[in-house]
Amino acid sequence: DGGITQSPKYLFRKEGQNVTLSCEQNLNHDAMYWYRQDPGQGLRLIYYSQIVNDFQKGDIAEGYSVSREKKESFPLTVTSAQKNPTAFYLCASSIQGGQEQYFGPGTRLTVT
Amino acid sequence: QQPVQSPQAVILREGEDAVINCSSSKALYSVHWYRQKHGEAPVFLMILLKGGEQMRHEKISASFNEKKQQSSLYLTASQLSYSGTYFCGTVEINRDDKIIFGKGTRLHILP
Repeated sequence: DGGITQSPKYLFRKEGQNVTLSCEQNLNHDAMYWYRQDPGQGLRLIYYSQIVNDFQKGDIAEGYSVSREKKESFPLTVTSAQKNPTAFYLCASSIQGGQEQYFGPGTRLTVT
Repeated sequence: QQPVQSPQAVILREGEDAVINCSSSKALYSVHWYRQKHGEAPVFLMILLKGGEQMRHEKISASFNEKKQQSSLYLTASQLSYSGTYFCGTVEINRDDKIIFGKGTRLHILP
């Protein structure tokens, strides 16, 4: 089955700790994206990558970092510099930029 | 620039029609529509391209007015399964093919 997976589904961390969210796809898509979803705010773009070893900042990149060493994987690190990290994080992929996006099930991160 | 969706929320009875609007201040190459059910990931409905035709997904259709940078989603004879939050996403001309999503329109269908 082709698809996009995120793990874990729920994640709890103490303030001041970095945490890495996993995103894997086996759709052979070139483009991958990370979004943050807060109530009433829609989907806000954190980072995106249109090709391996290249990525660009989205609208709210501060306090986050990513890597794209393999086509299938696009992990997101939430650093201690992110002031309000508690949110629902969604990863997506598309054949190429600007095309239909397939979303993973999301990771709900709670930082206390 | 985040597109503006209206209305923010809609409550309908099953069988009624609804229109959701999406407006941008930027020149657009395409508009995407997604639906997200509570606790689930967004699911793609359709994409409207500059110069393209009106699209349809089951009893849901959409239009794209390039000159006004506006798109509308039409839900005809709504079904209970249409409940959820609808997001439009815009791709601006010459802006790296990234999709900028609106804040969403919550649609609740009553039996």
